[in-house]
Amino acid sequence: NAGVTQTPKFQVLKTGQSMTLQCAQDMNHNSMYWYRQDPGMGLRLIYYSASEGTTDKGEVPNGYNVSRLNKREFSLRLESAAPSQTSVYFCASVLGPYSNQPQHFGDGTRLSIL
Amino acid sequence: QKEVEQNSGPLSVPEGAIASLNCTYSDRVSQSFFWYRQYSGKSPELIMSIYSNGDKEDGRFTAQLNKASQYVSLLIRDSQPSDSATYLCASRREYGNKLVFGAGTILRVKS
Repeated sequence: NAGVTQTPKFQVLKTGQSMTLQCAQDMNHNSMYWYRQDPGMGLRLIYYSASEGTTDKGEVPNGYNVSRLNKREFSLRLESAAPSQTSVYFCASVLGPYSNQPQHFGDGTRLSIL
Repeated sequence: QKEVEQNSGPLSVPEGAIASLNCTYSDRVSQSFFWYRQYSGKSPELIMSIYSNGDKEDGRFTAQLNKASQYVSLLIRDSQPSDSATYLCASRREYGNKLVFGAGTILRVKS
């Protein structure tokens, strides 16, 4: 019963490098989300996908791009990493854009940019 | 003003006491609220959800919602050291099911 799986769990990058964070869910959920969590700031929404084929910006989208590859997978890409993007990234999913059910979170990716 | 505000704490309570965690929100349109618990280095896990005014109880946890005052709280009875964690309050935006989180309250239960 995997739920929401994120890869990698840890990553260290140099400024200017690019990378893609992967997220996959096996709960047949329609909506998926990417958050970042910085000390003392709670979780902030980067991008979300209300349903397959759609993506929208959240609160802090600058410096990121996303791809909803299919119903299961939602990836987050950093094209040119900056130290300000050092954070813990969480992927989450929920049944649908109007569901009252809570979001389920992955274990997170801890990203450090030097 | 942040959309969801919480006292960052830490809130320290002795084992067996009641811990009271509070949250206020500014968007009157918000209808659903969630409390997540997050242990250090772990992902958030849902503790309680509440959608209507009043109290909702689940075991040692009680969530309270007052939409007129735009106030949500979480009571933890018979607090245990294992309850020591950061508690995140979140409101749900109707379209897209987006969550807006507070910064979290650190709870420490001392044995």
